[in-house]
Amino acid sequence: DGGITQSPKYLFRKEGQNVTLSCEQNLNHDAMYWYRQDPGQGLRLIYYSQIVNDFQKGDIAEGYSVSREKKESFPLTVTSAQKNPTAFYLCASSESGMATQYFGPGTRLLVL
Amino acid sequence: GIQVEQSPPDLILQEGANSTLRCNFSDSVNNLQWFHQNPWGQLINLFYIPSGTKQNGRLSATTVATERYSLLYISSSQTTDSGVYFCAGSNTGNQFYFGTGTSLTVIP
Repeated sequence: DGGITQSPKYLFRKEGQNVTLSCEQNLNHDAMYWYRQDPGQGLRLIYYSQIVNDFQKGDIAEGYSVSREKKESFPLTVTSAQKNPTAFYLCASSESGMATQYFGPGTRLLVL
Repeated sequence: GIQVEQSPPDLILQEGANSTLRCNFSDSVNNLQWFHQNPWGQLINLFYIPSGTKQNGRLSATTVATERYSLLYISSSQTTDSGVYFCAGSNTGNQFYFGTGTSLTVIP
């Protein structure tokens, strides 16, 4: 089945640790996105990528990093510089930048 | 960026009732989407509707781009309609701005 997968479902981070969230899609979409959702809030864009080997910062990129080495993969690293990382992280993809976005099931990140 | 205001923030309906959710934008958008987030966090795209009206079963949406708002209609609501409804708009082609959502609870 075509879709977007995210792993792990839950992730625990210790102080000072970098952690990486996985996002894979088999929809052959060019564009991929990472959003952060805090309780009772809407989604805020962290990073997006329109093509392989290119990505752009969103409104809240500080403390995060990404790579786009393959069309189907867009991993997100939450670095130790992100002081408040506890949130629900959602990955999305679309055929192009202005097309319908499809979301993965999300990863919940908690700080120990 | 674009400010997105959704109303009402919370809504409780009896099963079978109809409702209208509204989304206002601070700036013009040429791209607009409506999503439903279920209690487990999964977001499902309902409509991609930069302008005009679309219908899908019991749901329909209307966007009046010149007046910077969009409406989502839910008719004959069911308990499975419960969750949070988000709208998101863009005018750049790169970034969508999301509202804070309308939390809908449908009671049997």
